Amino acid sequence: GESVGLHLPTLSVQEGDNSIINCAYSNSASDYFIWYKQESGKGPQFIIDIRSNMDKRQGQRVTVLLNKTVKHLSLQIAATQPGDSAVYFCAENSGGSNYKLTFGKGTLLTVNP
Amino acid sequence: DTEVTQTPKHLVMGMTNKKSLKCEQHMGHRAMYWYKQKAKKPPELMFVYSYEKLSINESVPSRFSPECPNSSLLNLHLHALQPEDSALYLCASSKRDSLNTEAFFGQGTRLTVV
Repeated sequence: GESVGLHLPTLSVQEGDNSIINCAYSNSASDYFIWYKQESGKGPQFIIDIRSNMDKRQGQRVTVLLNKTVKHLSLQIAATQPGDSAVYFCAENSGGSNYKLTFGKGTLLTVNP
Repeated sequence: DTEVTQTPKHLVMGMTNKKSLKCEQHMGHRAMYWYKQKAKKPPELMFVYSYEKLSINESVPSRFSPECPNSSLLNLHLHALQPEDSALYLCASSKRDSLNTEAFFGQGTRLTVV
């Protein structure tokens, strides 16, 4: 299950299950959102993005949903694999024309074989 | 080539040292960024360069001094750092002529201040 507290939120799933990672963003004027995956000791890696004029976008095994009414973003990973274990960050462009990416707090996804 | 290359990968420096972090990209991106990331925390924006000019400074202490000598290179000069400045420093780049495109990140420089 998912836990939120003083430490990094965590989500633990079984291999083959679907994962849903949630993110609340801060700026109602943000017009672009990205999900990044960060493995230990590496830089963030782009997964999928979505513009504010969309509410859903699909990639390979991943889907991003955007609910602007409640400023909520989610990342769905289908058939989760051990290689998906990482920290996942949502990021919003809160700077308008200055393109300033602000990151959410992140969720640690652990996939159990 | 979709790489952002950062050097060095690891750096240990004393509080009186002067050192520089380097970042390079050859994707023709005209926006480049420095982020700081502490353990178990999200990356925090420090500086944004757009067309080689500093466009955003997130109130970063002057002991961090960025430089963008050309469209492919970004440096971060470090002087008189404190132990609390120890962190992973990430460089990123993105297209500037097309807003709302992904930012590509390097693997970071792990900095330890002793």
